[in-house]
Amino acid sequence: IAGITQAPTSQILAAGRRMTLRCTQDMRHNAMYWYRQDLGLGLRLIHYSNTAGTTGKGEVPDGYSVSRANTDDFPLTLASAVPSQTSVYFCASSEERGEKLFFGSGTQLSVL
Amino acid sequence: AQKVTQAQTEISVVEKEDVTLDCVYETRDTTYYLFWYKQPPSGELVFLIRRNSFDEQNEISGRYSWNFQKSTSSFNFTITASQVVDSAVYFCALSEAPETSGSRLTFGEGTQLTVNP
Repeated sequence: IAGITQAPTSQILAAGRRMTLRCTQDMRHNAMYWYRQDLGLGLRLIHYSNTAGTTGKGEVPDGYSVSRANTDDFPLTLASAVPSQTSVYFCASSEERGEKLFFGSGTQLSVL
Repeated sequence: AQKVTQAQTEISVVEKEDVTLDCVYETRDTTYYLFWYKQPPSGELVFLIRRNSFDEQNEISGRYSWNFQKSTSSFNFTITASQVVDSAVYFCALSEAPETSGSRLTFGEGTQLTVNP
C-alpha cells in the first residue's frame, strides 16, 4: 500500500441501508478528511479528524458519521442512505497544518 | 466564512492556445493557503501548487504559471501552449487559519478545461 486506499471503488446501495466507506493511509499523517464531490459544487468537506481520537464536522455532515480509532483508518458511515447521498467520496490526509492534501482514488456511491 | 469562486464552469480551447483559469477567494484571516488541484478524466486529484498568504511572488513551473494578487483576492492559473493532456477539471482551494483548522480546504466549483487538437 502506498498513500491512501479507499474501498469499495464503487457501490450501488438501496435507500435506507447502512454503508461504511473505508479509508486507510500508510503515511502516518495526523489529519484525515472526507469530501464528497458533486457536479457544479466542487468538493465539500463532510467530516475531518486532526488526530487519532478526535473528529469534527465539516460543511455537510448530516447523515454521516466517522470514527478515528487509530492513525491509519478513517471510516465514513452512512447510517441510513438516501438518494441525495449519491456522490463520489474522497478520503484525504495531510502531514501538517497548511500542507497539501493527499487524496485517495475515490468511491462512487449510488443510492437508489 | 471562507469561500472560493471559480466563475468559469467550462472553457474550450484549441491546442497551443494559452488559457487562464480564474479563482477568487474570500477570507477574514490574514494567514491562509491557496491551492490548485487537477482532476483528469481518470478521476484522481493531483496537487499542482500551494501558496501561502505572505508570498505574493508569481510562480512558473514549465507551462504552468500562477498569479497571486491579494489586492483583488485572486489566484489565477495560466497554462501556456495548452496540450490535449491538459484537459481536466481544475479546482482552486483555500485553507484558512491553519493553526486551528488543520488543512481543511474549501474548494471552488471547478473549471472543466477541454483542449481540442
